Amino acid sequence: EPEVTQTPSHQVTQMGQEVILRCVPISNHLYFYWYRQILGQKVEFLVSFYNNEISEKSEIFDDQFSVERPDGSNFTLKIRSTKLEDSAMYFCASTGSSSTNQPQHFGDGTRLSIL
Amino acid sequence: DQQVKQNSPSLSVQEGRISILNCDYTNSMFDYFLWYKKYPAEGPTFLISISSIKDKNEDGRFTVFLNKSAKHLSLHIVPSQPGDSAVYFCAAISSNTGKLIFGQGTTLQVKP
Repeated sequence: EPEVTQTPSHQVTQMGQEVILRCVPISNHLYFYWYRQILGQKVEFLVSFYNNEISEKSEIFDDQFSVERPDGSNFTLKIRSTKLEDSAMYFCASTGSSSTNQPQHFGDGTRLSIL
Repeated sequence: DQQVKQNSPSLSVQEGRISILNCDYTNSMFDYFLWYKKYPAEGPTFLISISSIKDKNEDGRFTVFLNKSAKHLSLHIVPSQPGDSAVYFCAAISSNTGKLIFGQGTTLQVKP
């Protein structure tokens, strides 16, 4: 079964450094998402992306965050100047349709640790 | 964001018995409700969903019930198996936005 893949599985970064999290969505999917889960908290939406544009973003997704689809397969999340509170699991998801009856499929996540 | 709530952080069930996981929501605009299962070190895996116009959806051992008037849904697993032990997330989505709103999760332990 096709999968969403994320790299790296664990990223350790010094506070203030830039970090790029990478995702390869399922190949025929068109809608892409990033979520994060801070330890002990809910999974929360960050941003959705379709047709090379951000469709929606949460208030968490401030100017320090950006997303890009640099080629036909990768979908990246960049944090320009990381803060301690950015430490979390980051999940990428994709779906083939905007219809709400099409479930989003998640990758296994990247654990981001900010020191 | 308290739009989707799972009030039971954990549930323990004997193998072969029924597991019932509960979820409450506040936003009547949600169109679809989904259950995801999550094992440690893995991402959420889609399990089953239900449209807001239905009251029941069944897939093998998994059945989701929706009570719109009570803004409540539940996931029934019968019979429960040790491999079902995982964290179960309830999530909701509305057609005017593509984002999933998750509950806090319930950790299910199925004892052999």
